[in-house]
Amino acid sequence: AQKITQTQPGMFVQEKEAVTLDCTYDTSDPSYGLFWYKQPSSGEMIFLIYQGSYDQQNATEGRYSLNFQKARKSANLVISASQLGDSAMYFCAMSPSPYGGATNKLIFGTGTLLAVQP
Amino acid sequence: DVKVTQSSRYLVKRTGEKVFLECVQDMDHENMFWYRQDPGLGLRLIYFSYDVKMKEKGDIPEGYSVSREKKERFSLILESASTNQTSMYLCASTSGGFGVSKNIQYFGAGTRLSVL
Repeated sequence: AQKITQTQPGMFVQEKEAVTLDCTYDTSDPSYGLFWYKQPSSGEMIFLIYQGSYDQQNATEGRYSLNFQKARKSANLVISASQLGDSAMYFCAMSPSPYGGATNKLIFGTGTLLAVQP
Repeated sequence: DVKVTQSSRYLVKRTGEKVFLECVQDMDHENMFWYRQDPGLGLRLIYFSYDVKMKEKGDIPEGYSVSREKKERFSLILESASTNQTSMYLCASTSGGFGVSKNIQYFGAGTRLSVL
């Protein structure tokens, strides 16, 4: 069975500093996709970044980058130059297929609450 | 932009009541999902639907049912609400098919349900 583990329940970071949120995954399938979502206090889940298991390069989206280490089964999210608006819950998730299919369900981790301090 | 709308942000119901949570998406998406979110447990999939009138159980379907009579609308039904169903409920949709962009799940703002 697939599983996502986020070991950091909460973290503090100073504004303008970089922060790494940890995510490890467990799967026996060679094909999978990894997602990061942000959930502000408003409740809506916002898609941030995606990495497919066959992708050679680490994904980047603006200030977000995904540090994908396949051998270690880790997919850490790096946020550069933190902003106060980055304070939120962050979820790592995995799908069984890297590029989709009929129904691409997601398996979520328990989340990390990030607090950005001025 | 994709918009997923959940009919209520907050809902308070009594034990034993029948509860309907409604979700509507405006992007003609094929797939729709209902999750439950609890502290320390993350999001858990209750049911999903890949077409009108089609549904499949997720990881925690007990005590819930769903209805998808129209493509844009996916309803979660609690036949007889219980206190252990007090939770945050999130609806999501994807267009489906192959390709990363087609499988990004877009979420509604959530419904916080309290069963007293």
